[in-house]
Amino acid sequence: AQKITQTQPGMFVQEKEAVTLDCTYDTSDQSYGLFWYKQPSSGEMIFLIYQGSYDEQNATEGRYSLNFQKARKSANLVISASQLGDSAMYFCAMRVSRNTGFQKLVFGTGTRLLVSP
Amino acid sequence: DSGVTQTPKHLITATGQRVTLRCSPRSGDLSVYWYQQSLDQGLQFLIQYYNGEERAKGNILERFSAQQFPDLHSELNLSSLELGDSALYFCASSVGSGFQETQYFGPGTRLLVL
Repeated sequence: AQKITQTQPGMFVQEKEAVTLDCTYDTSDQSYGLFWYKQPSSGEMIFLIYQGSYDEQNATEGRYSLNFQKARKSANLVISASQLGDSAMYFCAMRVSRNTGFQKLVFGTGTRLLVSP
Repeated sequence: DSGVTQTPKHLITATGQRVTLRCSPRSGDLSVYWYQQSLDQGLQFLIQYYNGEERAKGNILERFSAQQFPDLHSELNLSSLELGDSALYFCASSVGSGFQETQYFGPGTRLLVL
């Protein structure tokens, strides 16, 4: 079975500093995708970044980068130069390609990030 | 704005009632997914449709059902509602159903069962 583990219930960071949110995953599949989503207090789920299991380079999207360590089965999100608007809940998710047409997203429990001035 | 729309944004109803949640996917997306987010269960996959056909079922109760219409919008029907059904219900869409495809989420429907 697929599982995502986020061990940090909450993280604090000062504005303009970098922060790393941890994510480890468990799957026996060779083909999978890893996603990070942001959920602000308003409730919507915002896609941030994607990493495929066969991608050789770590994904980057603006201030977001994904530190992908396949052997350790970790996919940590790094946010550089934190901003007050980054305060939100962050979810790591995985999708595997086991059976045609069955590719649900499995989510972790999330990490609440608070950015202070 | 993800391009996925959900109505209504909020819904308050009583136990035993039935409600319908509506979702319009992004233009061009064929897959629609429904998720439930509750405090005790976290984010749970309910069901997936691809171009009008059911593709996968997750932890969806028998009291819940869904469908995707020819214009690709989808509806999630929740019946015989219980207090525990109170949750945030998300619809997401993607172009196809490949594992590498990003699912874009709508703003959600917040359901409160009293």
